[in-house]
Amino acid sequence: SQELEQSPQSLIVQEGKNLTINCTSSKTLYGLYWYKQKYGEGLIFLMMLQKGGEEKSHEKITAKLDEKKQQSSLHITASQPSHAGIYLCGAVGGADGLTFGKGTHLIIQP
Amino acid sequence: DTGVSQDPRHKITKRGQNVTFRCDPISEHNRLYWYRQTLGQGPEFLTYFQNEAQLEKSRLLSDRFSAERPKGSFSTLEIQRTEQGDSAMYLCASSLGTGPSYEQYFGPGTRLTVT
Repeated sequence: SQELEQSPQSLIVQEGKNLTINCTSSKTLYGLYWYKQKYGEGLIFLMMLQKGGEEKSHEKITAKLDEKKQQSSLHITASQPSHAGIYLCGAVGGADGLTFGKGTHLIIQP
Repeated sequence: DTGVSQDPRHKITKRGQNVTFRCDPISEHNRLYWYRQTLGQGPEFLTYFQNEAQLEKSRLLSDRFSAERPKGSFSTLEIQRTEQGDSAMYLCASSLGTGPSYEQYFGPGTRLTVT
């Protein structure tokens, strides 16, 4: 079965600083999703990557999928308090249900 | 489009009781998924529907769990004889189609606490 490992598990960043979250898969990724979750709430879709080398950006968040399609990174530029939360990477596993990593807890310090 | 909705948002029940959760997907989405999320973990897939047909169940879905999607619209997830280990956030998601090209949109979740 596919496993996704996220690093770091938690991250404390000063407001305005850049940061990167990584997601590594045990198998080739055929679709990699990034979601954000606020504590105790549902998941908010951020971006989806499919092709090796693909890169997508939305506002100050950029996600990349490596050429081998086994690793993805999420980069936030000039972090803001609104970026705080749990970031989850998910991949299409069996039966189209997503397999998720454990998440990265991001705290933004003012 | 109001997004995926779930009801109730919170449920506290005593061990041994039955509970039922409801999910209303985005109206034109034919795929509906149920996930369970425990503290400090990512969501874990439970089951999914293509219209009204339940096509896959995870091994996490014990015999005490049953899900339905009558008429291919809203879905219900019932847990019978709840156990403390059932305490978790139950998340519903829907998508427009099948495969990795279709993102899944999640509801706010139902947090279950079994005392």
